[in-house]
Amino acid sequence: DAKTTQPTSMDCAEGRAANLPCNHSTISGNEYVYWYRQIHSQGPQYIIHGLKNNETNEMASLIITEDRKSSTLILPHATLRDTAVYYCIVRVAAGNQFYFGTGTSLTVIP
Amino acid sequence: DVKVTQSSRYLVKRTGEKVFLECVQDMDHENMFWYRQDPGLGLRLIYFSYDVKMKEKGDIPEGYSVSREKKERFSLILESASTNQTSMYLCASSLYIGDQPQHFGDGTRLSIL
Repeated sequence: DAKTTQPTSMDCAEGRAANLPCNHSTISGNEYVYWYRQIHSQGPQYIIHGLKNNETNEMASLIITEDRKSSTLILPHATLRDTAVYYCIVRVAAGNQFYFGTGTSLTVIP
Repeated sequence: DVKVTQSSRYLVKRTGEKVFLECVQDMDHENMFWYRQDPGLGLRLIYFSYDVKMKEKGDIPEGYSVSREKKERFSLILESASTNQTSMYLCASSLYIGDQPQHFGDGTRLSIL
């Protein structure tokens, strides 16, 4: 089941903020929003997750709307090494696995 | 930082061979997982383990088995490799089941000829 909708691809200029949107209109109250990214030929890398409050760590910020039906991942100063496929995933805390959809292919342009 | 290490990045085996994929994590995580990733199909869970000597089937366990004799090590076994098991295999671990994220290794790209 496709619980999230993301744009297929995005470009961002190097040094600018990259804002990656995700729609999850059917999210349940006990489901968290997770973001991962996958650089070609590597395993998925965990970025950040949250339930309803905005979150920030050394990699990114996660902004979740008040109704929790959408979220945005923000990479504050994109670099060429941020070029990757970014996955937005919703999952209950007790869930066993992460369902990765097709994600957003972000290209950071010099 | 969490480190999940998979024994091989690339592996080529023949049809009918018994294949072992090894995964080790260094963060004393309780849970470990094996996925396969195929174009257009995303990640699919094969098996997972909550504790030593415990295992649970995921969505696609057929043709695979697992072993977890030590907390840090989780092995995936292809009993008799077939060409449709050619794929990228990813191991992951997490501290406990809850909202904790899973941390992935870099994967093993397995080709069955």
